[in-house]
Amino acid sequence: QVQLVQSGAEVKKPGASVKVSCKASGDTFTSFYMHWVRQAPGQGLEWMGIINPSGDRTSYAQNFQGRVTMTRDTSTSTLYMELNSLKSEDTAVYYCAVAARPNWFFDLWGRGTLVTVSS
Amino acid sequence: DIQMTQSPSTLSASVGDRVTITCRASQTISTSLAWYQQKPGKAPKLLIYKASTLERGVPSRFSGSGSGTEFTLTIRSLQPDDFATYYCQQYNSYWTFGQGTKVEIK
Repeated sequence: QVQLVQSGAEVKKPGASVKVSCKASGDTFTSFYMHWVRQAPGQGLEWMGIINPSGDRTSYAQNFQGRVTMTRDTSTSTLYMELNSLKSEDTAVYYCAVAARPNWFFDLWGRGTLVTVSS
Repeated sequence: DIQMTQSPSTLSASVGDRVTITCRASQTISTSLAWYQQKPGKAPKLLIYKASTLERGVPSRFSGSGSGTEFTLTIRSLQPDDFATYYCQQYNSYWTFGQGTKVEIK
């Protein structure tokens, strides 16, 4: 059973970048597709993108293309999501999630990382 | 992009009630639909996938049905632990969530 441990809360200024991590333990990290989803305060869930098991292919939602980069370090079983040019509207909880197959639902979610963008 | 529309946005119910939430896709998605439960301050939890398959460990009072563009989540007899927000998600083409349905105490 995979367990996902995300990095702690961040406070950033507008225009800055943030890099959130998600460390997987338990099962074979390199077997799973990994997603990032965010949730603004009081709002719904928004899919951001996916990275394949080997980390050499990504696909990003149109809303984030050009601003987000997803990577994974198989040696440490850690997934990363970097979001650039932060705006106040990027204030949200960012979740990593596991999918066993490419076109699949999310079996398991991390606990989330709150990113606050404020001047 | 496939849009997912849930109804209602909020639902007031009592313990023991039968509750039904509807999710409609803007184009056909076969049975590539999942349902998640989210409680305040917590991550979403998978309840149902492939429109009607119950995730391991999820109580049998939860059920899902539908295919194509119309889907439902039913809670047979609402329990105190079920008051939460529920989201549908399509995974037929990329991934899109419905806007959520909050089930609150009547």
